Amino acid sequence: GAGVSQSPSNKVTEKGKDVELRCDPISGHTALYWYRQSLGQGLEFLIYFQGNSAPDKSGLPSDRFSAERTGGSVSTLTIQRTQQEDSAVYLCASSLTSGGAQETQYFGPGTRLLVL
Amino acid sequence: GDSVTQMEGPVTLSEEAFLTINCTYTATGYPSLFWYVQYPGEGLQLLLKATKADDKGSNKGFEATYRKETTSFHLEKGSVQVSDSAVYFCALSDRQGYSTLTFGKGTMLLVSP
Repeated sequence: GAGVSQSPSNKVTEKGKDVELRCDPISGHTALYWYRQSLGQGLEFLIYFQGNSAPDKSGLPSDRFSAERTGGSVSTLTIQRTQQEDSAVYLCASSLTSGGAQETQYFGPGTRLLVL
Repeated sequence: GDSVTQMEGPVTLSEEAFLTINCTYTATGYPSLFWYVQYPGEGLQLLLKATKADDKGSNKGFEATYRKETTSFHLEKGSVQVSDSAVYFCALSDRQGYSTLTFGKGTMLLVSP
């Protein structure tokens, strides 16, 4: 079956512009996660969704970052007024349930964001 | 808070050599431990996992044993191939009720023929 998909695969934007990144999880997966992979910081957790609600937003680095999930499926990560330090690969993952620490997450290919 | 420390790379080996990538962790609870692999140009893939102490995860010839006494989860393979060249990430999941991952910084493995 289809895996996690993300779009766009690459995005180049100018500093100060807003960007939207999309994630389509595996069908039927109720849990969805966003991570960021950058050279300096490695892989960092951003936000977790269970269904349409986000019980853990603790990883969002600033209030310029927001995310939503609709219909328990597609999620959009929005970065407002982008800064150069936002340049990174943004990864989305989904898991079947949020059944605890042993749950396996399946990752998408990522969106590579470059802020000029 | 939780953290994962893994050896810095790159690790450079010849084909058929023995591989060890060290990983140690700090966690407040009883985490599950994972190794993910990222092949060039591809996304993260789960390689193996272990959910409790003394469990051994294995896949594609790779193995790692969950050692609670040394808080370690070292990745090993007896004979690497060129196709194993990738970045390997050690990770743990320790949250109650959901499985947010805390990753190490990754170790690049380069295998030459």
